[in-house]
Amino acid sequence: QVHLHESGPGQVSSLETLSLTCTVSDASMSSHFWSWIRQSPGKGLEWLGSIYYSGSTNYNPALKSRVTISVDTSKNQFSLSLTSMTSADTAVYYCARGITSSWYAFDPWGQGLLVSVSS
Amino acid sequence: SSELTQDPVASVSLGQTVTITCLGDNLRTFSANWYQQKPGQAPTLVISNNNNRPSGVPARFSGSASGKGAFLTITGAQAEDEADYYCNSRDNTEHLVLFGGGTKLTVL
Repeated sequence: QVHLHESGPGQVSSLETLSLTCTVSDASMSSHFWSWIRQSPGKGLEWLGSIYYSGSTNYNPALKSRVTISVDTSKNQFSLSLTSMTSADTAVYYCARGITSSWYAFDPWGQGLLVSVSS
Repeated sequence: SSELTQDPVASVSLGQTVTITCLGDNLRTFSANWYQQKPGQAPTLVISNNNNRPSGVPARFSGSASGKGAFLTITGAQAEDEADYYCNSRDNTEHLVLFGGGTKLTVL
């Protein structure tokens, strides 16, 4: 059964770049989309972007200039970079896999990583 | 771009049936998925592609769609079904993923 695990800093300074990695265990990354989703405290879910295992990407237009997602299938990992962090970016960041029949149906999800932005 | 609209709250008596609604123009074209999220946990997929129930999801969860609406029905709600429920789909014109605002379900 596939497992996803987010890793990275729990706190970044304002205007810094956030870098997170999602490690995929017990499954190949092939033939799937891999995504980043976040949830601000007490709020709903926001899709950040997705990457196919071959490297093609889709990004949320609202964040497109700040977001980069990359994949390293040799390490079974994909990564998120989010520039110019502000307090509005404080959130739990999740990585997730798109199911085979729908790239925007996410299963499973990682446990999530809380990232706080300090001024 | 499109958006998905959910009622923020819903309630159901133990053992009864509840339907949670998700509305969006894009749902006429693209399928909806549903997620359950309990406090302090990551969301889990309970319905994909409007009406497919992943392995391990109890049969009391079902999904349907009609027009610009998608619907999650819990038949015989249990105490453990108390959670936030989110729908998601994709935008009509861009490769953009949308989430509804979520419905907080209380089981009375």
